[in-house]
Amino acid sequence: RKEVEQDPGPFNVPEGATVAFNCTYSNSASQSFFWYRQDCRKEPKLLMSVYSSGNEDGRFTAQLNRASQYISLLIRDSKLSDSATYLCVVKHWEYGNKLVFGAGTILRVKS
Amino acid sequence: NAGVTQTPKFQVLKTGQSMTLQCAQDMNHNSMYWYRQDPGMGLRLIYYSASEGTTDKGEVPNGYNVSRLNKREFSLRLESAAPSQTSVYFCASSRGQAYGYTFGSGTRLTVV
Repeated sequence: RKEVEQDPGPFNVPEGATVAFNCTYSNSASQSFFWYRQDCRKEPKLLMSVYSSGNEDGRFTAQLNRASQYISLLIRDSKLSDSATYLCVVKHWEYGNKLVFGAGTILRVKS
Repeated sequence: NAGVTQTPKFQVLKTGQSMTLQCAQDMNHNSMYWYRQDPGMGLRLIYYSASEGTTDKGEVPNGYNVSRLNKREFSLRLESAAPSQTSVYFCASSRGQAYGYTFGSGTRLTVV
């Protein structure tokens, strides 16, 4: 079983739509959680950290459910520029604070 | 404002050849990492260096060696390249435990 699992998609949505991505992680000792964005043939870039209380950054909202070991990302009012692969990422101390990446979910926003 | 710099950006090797991928960061980060990314697999950790003078194996270290030359530089060496090492390689650095990583732009390596 993969340590971090994501629906690979692709999610094809029209501009202005709301889209949600889900992610599950297997190691209950995971301590830190992130969403990264990766554009085609580019490096991953940090989109936002994810906190237990939930957090929002503009059109993006991230949620964490530790009991279910579940992370989500909600994108409201999708823009063409949101088209990318979204990577769910966890970090846990027992692996030397290394980031463990999901394989990513592809989002395509169309006009 | 360079961040993490990787060289080369592209490389084609023949099976059995060796090469070193270079990585340097100018953010004074202690920790540095090498990942490979393959289709459908996500990024997998090859080696990491928690601080200058230390290196440790990650998830997929076989066929690779690393050197943490100083605080800024962390190189990845393929001693005898194999087609299975065809991949995109990313170097990253981190300020500390609670922080995410900053990635370099990647090296696209093809082994024929």
